[in-house]
Amino acid sequence: QVQLVQSGAEVKKPGASVKVSCKASGYSLTRYGISWVRQAPGQGLEWMGWISPSNGNTNYAQSFQGRVTMTTDTSTDTAYMELRSLRSDDTALYFCVREAGYTSFFDYWGQGTLVTVSS
Amino acid sequence: DIQMTQSPSSVSASIGDTVTITCRASQGISSWLAWYQQKPGKAPKLLIYTASTLQTGVPSRFSGSGSGTDFTLTINSLQPEDFATYYCQQANSFPITFGPGTKVEIK
Repeated sequence: QVQLVQSGAEVKKPGASVKVSCKASGYSLTRYGISWVRQAPGQGLEWMGWISPSNGNTNYAQSFQGRVTMTTDTSTDTAYMELRSLRSDDTALYFCVREAGYTSFFDYWGQGTLVTVSS
Repeated sequence: DIQMTQSPSSVSASIGDTVTITCRASQGISSWLAWYQQKPGKAPKLLIYTASTLQTGVPSRFSGSGSGTDFTLTINSLQPEDFATYYCQQANSFPITFGPGTKVEIK
């Protein structure tokens, strides 16, 4: 069965970077796009960007341009999201999500990785 | 960017009620709309895509309709497990955007 398993919770200081991993199983990572979505405590869902694991193409939300990098390692079926220059308002639950087919509907979600930014 | 709005922001309902949630896009998105259900502490779950197609395994009491800019999620015969927050999402173009959510609470 399809699963996306993310790395564990992180605590970072303001200005630091964090890299979250997302390992896919039950399918080949190269077959479907991966997006990253975050959710601040008690808030809604915010799309951060997308990567095509088959060719490495990316599309980042404007609000994260210059601070985020999404990559994949197809040899291990793992996607990564690195966010730099962390601020307190980056404290959130970060989800990797799989696109359904060739659409931007999200049919499988990782369990989420809590990133806490605090001095 | 396409802005998504939802109404109401919250609704109180009883078991067996019918609940209707509305989602509006700031510009036409054809049928490129999905609905998700999220329970506290859990990842969202895809309920409906292309505005009206039920995801595999989702109960038939959930239905979606609409196209262009106005969409509706209807939950018939509300069940205890349906109390959650519901989000719409447009998949027409990048950046992908979500509505602010509608919380369905127990009356």
